[in-house]
Amino acid sequence: DVKVTQSSRYLVKRTGEKVFLECVQDMDHENMFWYRQDPGLGLRLIYFSYDVKMKEKGDIPEGYSVSREKKERFSLILESASTNQTSMYLCASRRGGASETQYFGPGTRLLVL
Amino acid sequence: AQTVTQSQPEMSVQEAETVTLSCTYDTSESDYYLFWYKQPPSRQMILVIRQEAYKQQNATENRFSVNFQKAAKSFSLKISDSQLGDAAMYFCAPGLSNSNSGYALNFGKGTSLLVTP
Repeated sequence: DVKVTQSSRYLVKRTGEKVFLECVQDMDHENMFWYRQDPGLGLRLIYFSYDVKMKEKGDIPEGYSVSREKKERFSLILESASTNQTSMYLCASRRGGASETQYFGPGTRLLVL
Repeated sequence: AQTVTQSQPEMSVQEAETVTLSCTYDTSESDYYLFWYKQPPSRQMILVIRQEAYKQQNATENRFSVNFQKAAKSFSLKISDSQLGDAAMYFCAPGLSNSNSGYALNFGKGTSLLVTP
């Protein structure tokens, strides 16, 4: 079974802090994704990566950056957390192209005070 | 991102009954893939079913089936013999190309399904 893990289920941070959200997958998938989920808005793509050290902006990249130094790990970075980044963050991975299933992690609920 | 519309924010169904969740999307592509995901209260997103746009036959997985109308750009999910464990948020997610994210999934806003005894 594919396993996607996220470093924290719940996180509380203060405005202005630098925040790291970590995601690890164990199935050698090329593609990894970060989404944020807000009530009434569904899932919105922040960034994705199709290979080590490669990244592409999604629909809402402002205020975020990412890092993929190893194939299995994809990190989401909030350089200076703001209250409007309070949200649920979901990581996903996928082998190959659009026909393949995306597998999701359990999510991190981030609260920025 | 391309538009994905789930017009029913909430739906309710009685156990053992059938319910249909609707989804429409916008694309000019001819070949793509469509997915329905389920997110129960545990928050873990789980694949329910997928459909290949070039296939005319509607996909079926046990009690779950789709009604895919390519010309109408409609992709509805039918749940038969509903069970209490089907209660969840359901997301329609076509894999459509766009300028930013290649073939990353585009998610609708979701339909919250309540199953009553």
